[in-house]
Amino acid sequence: DTAVSQTPKYLVTQMGNDKSIKCEQNLGHDTMYWYKQDSKKFLKIMFSYNNKELIINETVPNRFSPKSPDKAHLNLHINSLELGDSAVYFCASSQELEGRNTEAFFGQGTRLTVV
Amino acid sequence: GQNIDQPTEMTATEGAIVQINCTYQTSGFNGLFWYQQHAGEAPTFLSYNVLDGLEEKGRFSSFLSRSKGYSYLLLKELQMKDSASYLCAVRDIYNQGGKLIFGQGTELSVKP
Repeated sequence: DTAVSQTPKYLVTQMGNDKSIKCEQNLGHDTMYWYKQDSKKFLKIMFSYNNKELIINETVPNRFSPKSPDKAHLNLHINSLELGDSAVYFCASSQELEGRNTEAFFGQGTRLTVV
Repeated sequence: GQNIDQPTEMTATEGAIVQINCTYQTSGFNGLFWYQQHAGEAPTFLSYNVLDGLEEKGRFSSFLSRSKGYSYLLLKELQMKDSASYLCAVRDIYNQGGKLIFGQGTELSVKP
């Protein structure tokens, strides 16, 4: 059983399009994240979200928006895609215990290529 | 991120021991994690340190010195399958609400 699953695994699209990546976790965690991993393999946090708050990395363009229909899902919607958006996007989740988060579990990643 | 440093690449021989260092600067340190990431795959959790000292898990050990802002991951009896990227991540309660901030990763190549 997959703990954190995201779809699609690969996504090739043209500049200017709008696309969404879906993420679901069955671990019962209360916090979910989106990370972007660029060509240099640097994992950069984009968003973290739980039922209390959404924390947005201020460097993320507002073309990126997270949408959470419920605690087990955090989807990533991207408007007006640009070439520089090409990267691997990882969804992750963790559980908050006594005011701090445990280790994060990652999905398998979505390789986005904008052409 | 910009406050976490680790070597970009390392090479070691099968059966040997390798130590991957990580230095960090945070204002609200609240734990350090090591992850392993094979090419094309998701990062997987290896170890967690929040107090000074050594945590051992089989062939993998991780050390933390909070006063020095320093950690290392020690891999013993290296195997070819250990070739991967090793990511150091820090939880800083004053940065991103205490979420994990990652270093750029160390690409380890294990050679026969």
